[in-house]
Amino acid sequence: EAGVTQFPSHSVIEKGQTVTLRCDPISGHDNLYWYRRVMGKEIKFLLHFVKESKQDESGMPNNRFLAERTGGTYSTLKVQPAELEDSGVYFCASSPPLGTQYFGPGTRLTVL
Amino acid sequence: GIQVEQSPPDLILQEGANSTLRCNFSDSVNNLQWFHQNPWGQLINLFYIPSGTKQNGRLSATTVATERYSLLYISSSQTTDSGVYFCAVGPAGGYNKLIFGAGTRLAVHP
Repeated sequence: EAGVTQFPSHSVIEKGQTVTLRCDPISGHDNLYWYRRVMGKEIKFLLHFVKESKQDESGMPNNRFLAERTGGTYSTLKVQPAELEDSGVYFCASSPPLGTQYFGPGTRLTVL
Repeated sequence: GIQVEQSPPDLILQEGANSTLRCNFSDSVNNLQWFHQNPWGQLINLFYIPSGTKQNGRLSATTVATERYSLLYISSSQTTDSGVYFCAVGPAGGYNKLIFGAGTRLAVHP
């Protein structure tokens, strides 16, 4: 069974540019989550989808971040415009209704 | 919100030694997971253990939910066990989001 996949693995952009991260969950998992770890800080929750609906977006830092999950399959997280403090590792996870969250390998974002 | 504290923050072991990592949390949880972050940054699931005891090879974990702590035991440590171990909890009534501790950085030397 394929795990959670994320693309790209690394992204380097300049301040003010736009970046879109993609996550493909484990097949059949309705729950999809985004987390991030910025430099020196702990891994923080961003938001949670159930199918295509946003269940909890309490962790989204500001309106420069937009997450979508059209059709309830893969999800994208867009940062527009990117700022220096957005640099870090962005993780995606998926899970069945109850139980283990399985994490993807992460996307390392560097904003110069 | 719920607080998650892990101890010790750093741990250095000789190969073959045993260790215990601790995770304290400040409120009721309906999910608790232990992860190992390998040198490539990937978060590897070790245990889903909101309560009780589980074992997987040289690793075992115990969560005492009523006393709000969980322990991860590593026996006969190997150099490949090196990395950061994270505890993450899902607050009761908090949908499914996980709150992560700061991690325990483990270095196992040959």
